[in-house]
Amino acid sequence: SQQGEEDPQALSIQEGENATMNCSYKTSINNLQWYRQNSGRGLVHLILIRSNEREKHSGRLRVTLDTSKKSSSLLITASRAADTASYFCATDDVGAGRRALTFGSGTRLQVQP
Amino acid sequence: DAMVIQNPRYQVTQFGKPVTLSCSQTLNHNVMYWYQQKSSQAPKLLFHYYDKDFNNEADTPDNFQSRRPNTSFCFLDIRSPGLGDAAMYLCATSRRAPRTDTQYFGPGTRLTVL
Repeated sequence: SQQGEEDPQALSIQEGENATMNCSYKTSINNLQWYRQNSGRGLVHLILIRSNEREKHSGRLRVTLDTSKKSSSLLITASRAADTASYFCATDDVGAGRRALTFGSGTRLQVQP
Repeated sequence: DAMVIQNPRYQVTQFGKPVTLSCSQTLNHNVMYWYQQKSSQAPKLLFHYYDKDFNNEADTPDNFQSRRPNTSFCFLDIRSPGLGDAAMYLCATSRRAPRTDTQYFGPGTRLTVL
């Protein structure tokens, strides 16, 4: 079953606005990562937050993690047209013993210039 | 620049005709992965190598095989492609156990099956 589910599936905003995407997961994790994918391209790592961290910043990105609710959010502030992409959360699965990440279904962000 | 390279970027094959996709990395990473991604879906892990240790996902069809002849190269072989195998195939690497590490992706190979 899908470890990470993202919400919303699609988001359209105007340039300069903030964009918030949410990710929920089901099992215990060591860390949660966010990736970005431009159309027809590979994924690019944005940020990693460990299970003992609650918030992390990188430039215009802010990630929060609530392990009690098994959820994370990615906030992009002052969005730009170049932020248009799909955004995926990815989690490891402590219980399964798998040395791999499971990706969520993704949020497609469209930033209108 | 260190990177993950995938060749070809676009591959067209015929139904049932074997095809091989290649991935190379200059990052000297221990772990290499192959993902399948269909339109508007999440990448789905097919298998990964931790050094020479091959790890197959339970639901990866037998039609998909992989080879890692050395640290730098990894191949995905599709023995008898079906129409349902048309997808983007993504190769990725990480330095060590992925629980604590970032994955670095190649640009992908888009496979079309006629």
